Amino acid sequence: GAVVSQHPSWVICKSGTSVKIECRSLDFQATTMFWYRQFPKQSLMLMATSNEGSKATYEQGVEKDKFLINHASLTLSTLTVTSAHPEDSSFYICSAAGMVYGYTFGSGTRLTVV
Amino acid sequence: AQKVTQAQTEISVVEKEDVTLDCVYETRDTTYYLFWYKQPPSGELVFLIRRNSFDEQNEISGRYSWNFQKSTSSFNFTITASQVVDSAVYFCALSEARGILTGGGNKLTFGTGTQLKVEL
Repeated sequence: GAVVSQHPSWVICKSGTSVKIECRSLDFQATTMFWYRQFPKQSLMLMATSNEGSKATYEQGVEKDKFLINHASLTLSTLTVTSAHPEDSSFYICSAAGMVYGYTFGSGTRLTVV
Repeated sequence: AQKVTQAQTEISVVEKEDVTLDCVYETRDTTYYLFWYKQPPSGELVFLIRRNSFDEQNEISGRYSWNFQKSTSSFNFTITASQVVDSAVYFCALSEARGILTGGGNKLTFGTGTQLKVEL
């Protein structure tokens, strides 16, 4: 079956630093990848949609300069949280859309900014 | 605009009870997909089912069953003889069908989730 590997699983960083989260589709090509954010006891909110080789499309209210998304290949997308602040602490999860399996989710990254 | 409503925020049952999680959706598309996911405390999303809008047959998988009714725009999920391991947050989600199977992909719209607690 389709597998999406997301790293790191958790990260603690100091306020003002940047953090990169990787999402890799291991056994299929993901034309489209989605990045979601989830606050405790809340639903998943789509942040952005990225297609390989093109700029990401951000949802309303999501700062594109703060949440940099790169989808350089059909198997790798990255989300970089720049100049992180405590309010950016959240659970980030990626999803890859492939031809056969539909949506496959990564295991998520728990970001804590101190 | 698409919308998914899960009116039940939290449900508590005793082990072996049956429990139904409700999901009501809104979409203007005639072709769409509905999903259920389980999210245990560890956080990962576990895929449970995908159903397209043209297939209204109910589905059963072990202790899980799904009731899809287009007339009421509902896609309810029933767990029979619940177990402690079923304790998790369950999300219902909706997507346009266009693009999914050609690899393009369309965003999933999630409901707010239902926290299920199964106690001994």
